[in-house]
Amino acid sequence: DAGVIQSPRHEVTEMGQEVTLRCKPISGHNSLFWYRQTMMRGLELLIYFNNNVPIDDSGMPEDRFSAKMPNASFSTLKIQPSEPRDSAVYFCASSSDRGMYNEQFFGPGTRLTVL
Amino acid sequence: AQSVTQLGSHVSVSEGALVLLRCNYSSSVPPYLFWYVQYPNQGLQLLLKYTTGATLVKGINGFEAEFKKSETSFHLTKPSAHMSDAAEYFCAVSERGKSTFGDGTTLTVKP
Repeated sequence: DAGVIQSPRHEVTEMGQEVTLRCKPISGHNSLFWYRQTMMRGLELLIYFNNNVPIDDSGMPEDRFSAKMPNASFSTLKIQPSEPRDSAVYFCASSSDRGMYNEQFFGPGTRLTVL
Repeated sequence: AQSVTQLGSHVSVSEGALVLLRCNYSSSVPPYLFWYVQYPNQGLQLLLKYTTGATLVKGINGFEAEFKKSETSFHLTKPSAHMSDAAEYFCAVSERGKSTFGDGTTLTVKP
């Protein structure tokens, strides 16, 4: 299995631009998570999908952030307009709740720099 | 609501010394507990997990953790540190499919 795939791995953009981060979860997993990691705030859960439906988006910082999961094999996290304080590493993770364990498998992350 | 507290944001040990990373949790239901490791510029990887059964859990790279319900703890240990263990370690508690992560502990291993 290829694991969780994220693209791009690095993104540099200017303030005000739209940014779209992409994630392909592990095949067969039906839960998907978006996290943001910064030195100041650590690892923060932004949004959580189960069976393609957003379950908990309480971590989404503001309306500039949006996430979609149009099918079981693809999700996007969009920031519009982007701001310098959005600079962080964004991780996507997936898990299967058919078992009892709920461990999450993380992608390699997207390092976003907003100038 | 579930929560995780990792005591000590930075731990430094000498190569060959005991590694002890502390984690305390709170959960409204019997918890599923996890330790993840993050190496520089990588995503988190599962080290070990506790769901039910034996309270002493063995993971990869010689790490183990013991679930102590009375102390609400799930501390991570390794008898002898190796330079390659230098990384950030996260404790997590899972409830209803959603995990809550601690703030992480950075482990430094001195030669």
